[in-house]
Amino acid sequence: QAGLTQPPSVSKGLRQTATLTCTGNSNNVGDQGVAWLQQHQGHPPKLLSYRNNNRPSGISERLSASRSGNTASLTISGLQPDDEADYYCSAWDSSLSAWVFGGGTKLTVL
Amino acid sequence: QVQLVESGGGVVQPGESLRLSCAASGFTFSIYTMHWLRQAPGKGLEWVAVVSFGGSVEIYADSVKGRFIISRDNSKNTLHLQMNSLRAEDTAVYYCAREVDAFDHWGQGTLVTVSS
Repeated sequence: QAGLTQPPSVSKGLRQTATLTCTGNSNNVGDQGVAWLQQHQGHPPKLLSYRNNNRPSGISERLSASRSGNTASLTISGLQPDDEADYYCSAWDSSLSAWVFGGGTKLTVL
Repeated sequence: QVQLVESGGGVVQPGESLRLSCAASGFTFSIYTMHWLRQAPGKGLEWVAVVSFGGSVEIYADSVKGRFIISRDNSKNTLHLQMNSLRAEDTAVYYCAREVDAFDHWGQGTLVTVSS
């Protein structure tokens, strides 16, 4: 099943701002809500954001999500060493009747 | 506190079967949609299957359709994944996850290795 498109890697400096993107189509990102997940090496994923810009309780306000058309974005400000992880976007695809994921972006904090 | 604990992983040969379980606690299991997802070694996340809160609706990824069966026992707060005709490409860590708008809680995962 076709997935969402994410850049493989993004590198930013400590305390800088990183913006991760996720591109889909009108059947998934452009139609349904996008969720963002963070995964540290050796750990299960953790939900950061759902339905485009809602944060679960306990998620830092340094994270904000948005969507414009068929592209969703996750912005992380004031980067910290612990932000270094893999980030995945996900959405329900109404055409495929399936959940689809992006390939993931590895965020490196320099 | 929401807890999801997977079990049942292991090493099997191609063509064999395996049944995974996910024990849920800390929430009212019977009112939540539940999912299985997987992650091949060094790869990204892949959604596998979903079952509705009552168990009447099941949806599968094309990659497992006709081979895997998702089910749940709400009396035992347990989610299952019956995996038949396993292939090498099914090798992955399998996670169960609860759905509240998205995958809001995940288990630690159980490793399935399909190898001859």
